[in-house]
Amino acid sequence: DQQVKQNSPSLSVQEGRISILNCDYTNSMFDYFLWYKKYPAEGPTFLISISSIKDKNEDGRFTVFLNKSAKHLSLHIVPSQPGDSAVYFCAARTSGAGSYQLTFGKGTKLSVIP
Amino acid sequence: DSGVTQTPKHLITATGQRVTLRCSPRSGDLSVYWYQQSLDQGLQFLIHYYNGEERAKGNILERFSAQQFPDLHSELNLSSLELGDSALYFCASSRTGPLVNEQFFGPGTRLTVL
Repeated sequence: DQQVKQNSPSLSVQEGRISILNCDYTNSMFDYFLWYKKYPAEGPTFLISISSIKDKNEDGRFTVFLNKSAKHLSLHIVPSQPGDSAVYFCAARTSGAGSYQLTFGKGTKLSVIP
Repeated sequence: DSGVTQTPKHLITATGQRVTLRCSPRSGDLSVYWYQQSLDQGLQFLIHYYNGEERAKGNILERFSAQQFPDLHSELNLSSLELGDSALYFCASSRTGPLVNEQFFGPGTRLTVL
């Protein structure tokens, strides 16, 4: 049972346009949501996060939106650059008993076309 | 460079064998997490250690075990290996606490079981 779902395995976007990556979740106990970026042969790299009590967080070209009622979050990249081409993982955090665990989606491969 | 190191980078072995994967966390991080990424799968949480103590277990098989040593490095032991254990194994480290969200990932160990 997948608690974090990224329904689009891939996305292609023209350079300079907006990239929108989507993520849905089912567990209401998640308290933070994170986006990671992964290049081939490297480990995932933290990109941006948002608390479950907020609906938007911005960091430069990256903005994450959270819609709690819909259990949906999205990552917007504006403007998209060829260096943004990577696999993006959505992750959600649960907390308890001194442990903070991340549950990951399967990822969306973003290709930014020059 | 996340500051998390993993060795070896690649490992090829046969079914039924046992292997040990090693992880050194970022300086100062007391938490180590292990994840498995199989083909077309997101990262699956295996186990979390904090300052030498096991804090949480995820989808970790009984054939797998881990430990964290006094110098905070961690080892993941995989025994009686099966073809299906072929995957990328990542470790991540973090400072642990309610205000800490991101985990920093190492480059991973690619395990191939033949």
